[in-house]
Amino acid sequence: EAQVTQNPRYLITVTGKKLTVTCSQNMNHEYMSWYRQDPGLGLRQIYYSMNVEVTDKGDVPEGYKVSRKEKRNFPLILESPSPNQTSLYFCASSSWRDTQYFGPGTRLTVL
Amino acid sequence: DAKTTQPTSMDCAEGRAANLPCNHSTISGNEYVYWYRQIHSQGPQYIIHGLKNNETNEMASLIITEDRKSSTLILPHATLRDTAVYYCIVRVAGFNAGNMLTFGGGTRLMVKP
Repeated sequence: EAQVTQNPRYLITVTGKKLTVTCSQNMNHEYMSWYRQDPGLGLRQIYYSMNVEVTDKGDVPEGYKVSRKEKRNFPLILESPSPNQTSLYFCASSSWRDTQYFGPGTRLTVL
Repeated sequence: DAKTTQPTSMDCAEGRAANLPCNHSTISGNEYVYWYRQIHSQGPQYIIHGLKNNETNEMASLIITEDRKSSTLILPHATLRDTAVYYCIVRVAGFNAGNMLTFGGGTRLMVKP
Protein backbone atom coordinates (compact mmCIF):
# COMPACT_ATOMS: atom_id res chain seq x y z
CA GLU A 1 0.00 0.00 0.00
CA ALA A 2 1.29 3.43 -1.00
CA GLN A 3 1.76 5.47 2.12
CA VAL A 4 3.67 8.05 4.11
CA THR A 5 4.48 7.02 7.65
CA GLN A 6 5.53 9.17 10.57
CA ASN A 7 6.91 8.26 13.95
CA PRO A 8 6.16 8.88 16.67
CA ARG A 9 2.50 9.78 16.34
CA TYR A 10 2.42 11.45 19.74
CA LEU A 11 5.30 12.92 21.72
CA ILE A 12 5.51 14.91 24.94
CA THR A 13 8.94 16.28 25.73
CA VAL A 14 10.65 19.04 27.66
CA THR A 15 12.32 22.22 26.52
CA GLY A 16 15.80 21.69 25.14
CA LYS A 17 15.72 17.93 24.72
CA LYS A 18 16.68 17.09 21.15
CA LEU A 19 14.19 15.02 19.22
CA THR A 20 13.69 13.58 15.75
CA VAL A 21 10.43 12.86 13.98
CA THR A 22 10.87 10.35 11.22
CA CYS A 23 9.07 10.34 7.88
CA SER A 24 9.20 7.59 5.30
CA GLN A 25 7.44 7.05 1.96
CA ASN A 26 7.27 3.92 -0.18
CA MET A 27 6.25 5.55 -3.47
CA ASN A 28 9.73 6.47 -4.74
CA HIS A 29 8.76 10.15 -4.67
CA GLU A 30 11.37 12.79 -5.35
CA TYR A 31 9.70 15.52 -3.36
CA MET A 32 9.12 15.52 0.40
CA SER A 33 8.19 18.25 2.83
CA TRP A 34 7.24 19.05 6.40
CA TYR A 35 4.31 21.18 7.52
CA ARG A 36 3.09 22.27 10.90
CA GLN A 37 -0.55 22.98 11.66
CA ASP A 38 -1.67 25.34 14.38
CA PRO A 39 -5.19 26.54 15.22
CA GLY A 40 -6.11 29.61 13.18
CA LEU A 41 -2.88 29.49 11.16
CA GLY A 42 -3.53 26.59 8.82
CA LEU A 43 -0.71 24.46 7.48
CA ARG A 44 2.65 26.14 7.10
CA GLN A 45 5.61 24.62 5.32
CA ILE A 46 8.77 24.15 7.40
CA TYR A 47 11.28 22.54 4.99
CA TYR A 48 11.13 20.71 1.71
CA SER A 49 13.39 18.49 -0.36
CA MET A 50 13.34 18.14 -4.13
CA ASN A 51 15.55 15.04 -4.07
CA VAL A 52 18.34 13.30 -2.17
CA GLU A 53 20.77 15.80 -0.63
CA VAL A 54 18.63 18.73 -1.86
CA THR A 55 16.73 20.60 0.85
CA ASP A 56 15.44 24.12 1.27
CA LYS A 57 13.57 26.30 3.74
CA GLY A 58 9.85 26.76 3.68
CA ASP A 59 7.89 29.50 5.41
CA VAL A 60 8.75 28.68 9.03
CA PRO A 61 12.17 26.93 9.21
CA GLU A 62 13.49 28.51 12.42
CA GLY A 63 14.27 25.94 15.10
CA TYR A 64 14.15 22.97 12.74
CA LYS A 65 16.63 20.92 10.72
CA VAL A 66 16.13 18.27 8.09
CA SER A 67 18.24 15.84 6.11
CA ARG A 68 17.63 13.76 2.98
CA LYS A 69 20.26 11.06 2.76
CA GLU A 70 17.92 8.50 1.23
CA LYS A 71 15.04 9.04 -1.15
CA ARG A 72 12.45 7.42 1.09
CA ASN A 73 13.31 9.18 4.37
CA PHE A 74 13.05 12.80 5.44
CA PRO A 75 13.50 13.23 9.20
CA LEU A 76 12.62 16.45 11.02
CA ILE A 77 15.05 17.38 13.77
CA LEU A 78 14.40 19.74 16.65
CA GLU A 79 17.82 20.39 18.21
CA SER A 80 16.47 22.36 21.17
CA PRO A 81 12.67 22.25 21.25
CA SER A 82 10.75 25.12 22.77
CA PRO A 83 7.08 25.40 23.81
CA ASN A 84 6.23 27.43 20.68
CA GLN A 85 7.03 24.32 18.65
CA THR A 86 4.09 22.52 20.21
CA SER A 87 2.05 21.68 17.16
CA LEU A 88 0.68 19.03 14.82
CA TYR A 89 3.26 18.06 12.22
CA PHE A 90 2.66 16.52 8.82
CA CYS A 91 5.09 15.04 6.36
CA ALA A 92 4.14 14.95 2.67
CA SER A 93 5.59 13.49 -0.49
CA SER A 94 4.88 13.71 -4.19
CA SER A 95 6.21 12.77 -7.58
CA TRP A 96 6.59 15.17 -10.47
CA ARG A 97 2.86 14.71 -11.05
CA ASP A 98 2.42 16.89 -8.01
CA THR A 99 -0.37 15.13 -6.10
CA GLN A 100 0.84 15.30 -2.52
CA TYR A 101 0.36 12.46 -0.10
CA PHE A 102 0.36 13.31 3.58
CA GLY A 103 1.35 11.25 6.57
CA PRO A 104 -0.97 10.70 9.54
CA GLY A 105 0.56 13.47 11.63
CA THR A 106 2.69 13.76 14.77
CA ARG A 107 1.27 15.64 17.71
CA LEU A 108 4.16 17.21 19.60
CA THR A 109 3.91 18.87 23.00
CA VAL A 110 6.94 20.70 24.40
CA LEU A 111 6.68 21.51 28.09
CA ASP B 1 -0.73 31.52 -6.24
CA ALA B 2 -4.24 32.87 -6.67
CA LYS B 3 -6.37 33.43 -3.60
CA THR B 4 -9.51 31.37 -3.05
CA THR B 5 -12.74 32.08 -1.20
CA GLN B 6 -14.86 29.31 0.28
CA PRO B 7 -17.87 29.30 2.62
CA THR B 8 -16.86 28.64 6.20
CA SER B 9 -19.24 25.78 6.73
CA MET B 10 -21.95 23.71 5.04
CA ASP B 11 -24.33 20.95 6.00
CA CYS B 12 -25.43 18.06 3.83
CA ALA B 13 -27.84 15.20 4.40
CA GLU B 14 -26.38 11.73 4.22
CA GLY B 15 -26.91 10.18 0.80
CA ARG B 16 -27.42 13.50 -0.91
CA ALA B 17 -24.94 15.30 -3.14
CA ALA B 18 -22.65 17.78 -1.45
CA ASN B 19 -21.76 20.77 -3.62
CA LEU B 20 -18.85 22.80 -2.31
CA PRO B 21 -18.18 26.11 -4.09
CA CYS B 22 -14.90 27.94 -4.47
CA ASN B 23 -14.21 31.36 -5.95
CA HIS B 24 -10.84 32.05 -7.53
CA SER B 25 -11.41 35.16 -9.62
CA THR B 26 -7.68 35.99 -9.94
CA ILE B 27 -6.66 32.60 -11.28
CA SER B 28 -3.98 32.66 -13.96
CA GLY B 29 -4.02 30.69 -17.18
CA ASN B 30 -1.45 28.15 -16.00
CA GLU B 31 -2.95 27.59 -12.55
CA TYR B 32 -4.82 24.44 -11.65
CA VAL B 33 -7.63 24.04 -9.12
CA TYR B 34 -6.86 21.40 -6.49
CA TRP B 35 -9.12 20.04 -3.78
CA TYR B 36 -7.92 18.40 -0.60
CA ARG B 37 -9.79 17.47 2.53
CA GLN B 38 -8.78 16.96 6.12
CA ILE B 39 -10.74 14.71 8.40
CA HIS B 40 -10.30 15.79 11.98
CA SER B 41 -6.55 16.10 12.72
CA GLN B 42 -5.64 13.51 10.09
CA GLY B 43 -3.27 14.25 7.23
CA PRO B 44 -4.83 16.16 4.33
CA GLN B 45 -6.07 13.91 1.55
CA TYR B 46 -5.95 14.72 -2.15
CA ILE B 47 -9.34 14.57 -3.85
CA ILE B 48 -9.14 15.91 -7.38
CA HIS B 49 -7.70 18.63 -9.55
CA GLY B 50 -8.33 20.24 -12.93
CA LEU B 51 -7.29 23.02 -15.27
CA LYS B 52 -10.37 23.96 -17.27
CA ASN B 53 -12.28 20.83 -18.14
CA ASN B 54 -14.60 19.11 -15.72
CA GLU B 55 -12.99 16.15 -13.99
CA THR B 56 -14.34 13.07 -12.28
CA ASN B 57 -12.71 10.33 -10.28
CA GLU B 58 -13.84 7.71 -7.80
CA MET B 59 -14.14 10.25 -5.02
CA ALA B 60 -15.70 13.32 -6.58
CA SER B 61 -16.41 15.52 -9.56
CA LEU B 62 -14.94 18.94 -10.22
CA ILE B 63 -16.87 21.48 -12.23
CA ILE B 64 -14.91 24.55 -13.38
CA THR B 65 -16.77 27.48 -14.92
CA GLU B 66 -15.88 28.50 -18.45
CA ASP B 67 -14.17 31.69 -17.27
CA ARG B 68 -12.34 29.60 -14.61
CA LYS B 69 -13.17 32.12 -11.91
CA SER B 70 -15.03 29.59 -9.79
CA SER B 71 -15.43 25.87 -9.33
CA THR B 72 -17.57 23.36 -7.48
CA LEU B 73 -16.54 20.12 -5.88
CA ILE B 74 -19.32 17.56 -5.94
CA LEU B 75 -19.49 14.54 -3.64
CA PRO B 76 -22.32 12.64 -5.34
CA HIS B 77 -23.55 10.62 -2.38
CA ALA B 78 -22.20 12.06 0.84
CA THR B 79 -21.64 9.74 3.78
CA LEU B 80 -20.90 10.48 7.41
CA ARG B 81 -17.25 9.72 6.69
CA ASP B 82 -17.15 12.67 4.32
CA THR B 83 -17.46 15.05 7.25
CA ALA B 84 -14.23 17.06 7.00
CA VAL B 85 -12.70 20.41 6.13
CA TYR B 86 -12.42 20.80 2.36
CA TYR B 87 -9.71 23.01 0.92
CA CYS B 88 -9.72 24.57 -2.53
CA ILE B 89 -6.20 25.47 -3.66
CA VAL B 90 -5.15 27.20 -6.84
CA ARG B 91 -1.58 26.81 -7.99
CA VAL B 92 0.73 26.13 -10.88
CA ALA B 93 1.24 22.42 -11.42
CA GLY B 94 4.64 20.83 -11.02
CA PHE B 95 7.48 21.54 -8.63
CA ASN B 96 7.78 25.23 -7.93
CA ALA B 97 8.24 27.48 -4.95
CA GLY B 98 8.94 24.48 -2.78
CA ASN B 99 5.84 22.75 -4.06
CA MET B 100 4.12 24.30 -1.09
CA LEU B 101 0.39 23.95 -0.74
CA THR B 102 -1.24 27.05 0.74
CA PHE B 103 -4.26 25.93 2.72
CA GLY B 104 -6.77 28.66 3.43
CA GLY B 105 -9.64 28.37 5.86
CA GLY B 106 -11.52 25.76 3.86
CA THR B 107 -15.15 24.70 4.18
CA ARG B 108 -16.19 22.60 7.12
CA LEU B 109 -18.67 20.09 5.70
CA MET B 110 -20.95 18.39 8.17
CA VAL B 111 -22.81 15.38 6.80
CA LYS B 112 -25.85 14.66 8.91
CA PRO B 113 -27.90 11.44 9.19
